[in-house]
Amino acid sequence: DAGVTQSPTHLIKTRGQHVTLRCSPISGHKSVSWYQQVLGQGPQFIFQYYEKEERGRGNFPDRFSARQFPNYSSELNVNALLLGDSALYLCASSLTLEKLFFGSGTQLSVL
Amino acid sequence: DAKTTQPTSMDCAEGRAANLPCNHSTISGNEYVYWYRQIHSQGPQYIIHGLKNNETNEMASLIITEDRKSSTLILPHATLRDTAVYYCIVRGSTGNQFYFGTGTSLTVIP
Repeated sequence: DAGVTQSPTHLIKTRGQHVTLRCSPISGHKSVSWYQQVLGQGPQFIFQYYEKEERGRGNFPDRFSARQFPNYSSELNVNALLLGDSALYLCASSLTLEKLFFGSGTQLSVL
Repeated sequence: DAKTTQPTSMDCAEGRAANLPCNHSTISGNEYVYWYRQIHSQGPQYIIHGLKNNETNEMASLIITEDRKSSTLILPHATLRDTAVYYCIVRGSTGNQFYFGTGTSLTVIP
């Protein structure tokens, strides 16, 4: 079975631009979570979606938004990119909230 | 969710047991202790979790003290592939997010 897949794997943007990151969960998983990992730190929670509804949001500005589609895939959108948004963006899917299964992430560089 | 404290880094000889400590002195009664690890360039990987009792699975053992204020993750026979950052996380049963902290960087030495 395929694991969590994220695209693209790497992305370079300039300040002020917009970016969309995509995630396909493990088949049968209805929950998707997004995390941001800055170099040298642990992942930080951004959003959690379950059955297409937002169930949780971390301490991130409104420039960050997400949605979940009927097939349970998800997109993370970031508007008006800042240099500080450069990070590894991780998507995780889960059947229950006990075990998260993470993808390998999208490495975003903002220049 | 309670905060956790872990050593920044540890070394372990290959083939020996790796014992990774975690302090969570403010843990409350309904909060679980989780361990994840992250190998370089990959997403975090679930290892084990527990509430009160010690737990064991194919990857590791989790020992939680009786007062639940600390725990130890044990990798019984460390291999080079166990070199990773290990995160100890405390999360309530209804919480929807994991607070990863900065973790312990474990290096397994040949």
